[in-house]
Amino acid sequence: AQSVTQLGSHVSVSEGALVLLRCNYSSSVPPYLFWYVQYPNQGLQLLLKYTTGATLVKGINGFEAEFKKSETSFHLTKPSAHMSDAAEYFCAVSDHSSYKLIFGSGTRLLVRP
Amino acid sequence: GAGVSQSPSNKVTEKGKDVELRCDPISGHTALYWYRQSLGQGLEFLIYFQGNSAPDKSGLPSDRFSAERTGGSVSTLTIQRTQQEDSAVYLCASSLRLAEGGNEQFFGPGTRLTVL
Repeated sequence: AQSVTQLGSHVSVSEGALVLLRCNYSSSVPPYLFWYVQYPNQGLQLLLKYTTGATLVKGINGFEAEFKKSETSFHLTKPSAHMSDAAEYFCAVSDHSSYKLIFGSGTRLLVRP
Repeated sequence: GAGVSQSPSNKVTEKGKDVELRCDPISGHTALYWYRQSLGQGLEFLIYFQGNSAPDKSGLPSDRFSAERTGGSVSTLTIQRTQQEDSAVYLCASSLRLAEGGNEQFFGPGTRLTVL
């Protein structure tokens, strides 16, 4: 069965610092990979996704992620954190025969002024 | 354009009562999904619909949970004889089609259910 591991339930960075949120997946076949963001009392919003093709994926709000098959990872990065980036971030996978998303446990990003 | 809407936004009920949660997907989206977000279990898949049929109900936690979709649009998630462990945020999502997977699922704001 597929699974997703997000290291660190909380990550704290200073405004302007690099953001790195880690995601590893477990699957024998490279799945589809997603990063979603959830602001307080809101639903999930897609940041970016990887399906096929280029392994470096650029998303909204300056975020990007790189699919590394050898490491079974899909870490999310942003060069410079803004206060508005404070939210909870979820990594998710789906495989080629299933339509449901399997989510990681989430990482809450705190941005210090 | 309008996104996925859910109602009510908050629901407080007493243990043993039945509740209905409603989801209005984005117009034209044929696929609809229900997820549950709780402190202990994180985000869990419950059920999805392609049109009005539900090929995968594997995530429904018990037979107290049921869902239907009519007219290929609105969906209702019903929980009978609610229990305290049903307290969670219930999220609905829709996508253009199921197809091969990899389709973006657009999420609604959720219904926060509290069972006293």
